[in-house]
Amino acid sequence: AQSVAQPEDQVNVAEGNPLTVKCTYSVSGNPYLFWYVQYPNRGLQFLLKYITGDNLVKGSYGFEAEFNKSQTSFHLKKPSALVSDSALYFCAVRLNTNAGKSTFGDGTTLTVKP
Amino acid sequence: DGGITQSPKYLFRKEGQNVTLSCEQNLNHDAMYWYRQDPGQGLRLIYYSQIVNDFQKGDIAEGYSVSREKKESFPLTVTSAQKNPTAFYLCASSMGSWDQPQHFGDGTRLSIL
Repeated sequence: AQSVAQPEDQVNVAEGNPLTVKCTYSVSGNPYLFWYVQYPNRGLQFLLKYITGDNLVKGSYGFEAEFNKSQTSFHLKKPSALVSDSALYFCAVRLNTNAGKSTFGDGTTLTVKP
Repeated sequence: DGGITQSPKYLFRKEGQNVTLSCEQNLNHDAMYWYRQDPGQGLRLIYYSQIVNDFQKGDIAEGYSVSREKKESFPLTVTSAQKNPTAFYLCASSMGSWDQPQHFGDGTRLSIL
């Protein structure tokens, strides 16, 4: 079985400060890891993914994420938050087996205050 | 522009009624998915299809049905057997390789009258 945990329901940061949204996962095998962002009443938008290789991956809108195999984590980061980054963020894990089914975390609401 | 179109954006269901949510994609993706989103619960997989004329149940398929007669289309029917259908429904598609991200539509919000 595969699972994803986002331990914080809400993250609040001030504009210009660095942000971190946490994600840990549990799988049997090598995971494919994804981050998505959702704005109100919209679908999810892909931000970045880790497949293999460099543990630090860069994505859209200045976001990056660090894969840590020993801690089974894939935290989303950004050096300087913008008010427009305020949204709901989802971490997802997928295996190259199990028909490629994705498991999503419960989401973390990021609020960036001016 | 390529993408996924879900319709309608808002839908209301009466007791004992079946309703069908539309999902169309022009991305030429092989795989398509239906998710249900409830507040604080993330996304839960209802059904998925990897090729035309084939689909599999996800984690919460009871009370739902799908068809995949065309590559571009993956409609979801919420039957009267689904006792708590009020939710935000998201359709997604992806290329056949599992290292590729999913592309999502903008959802249909279903409510009970």
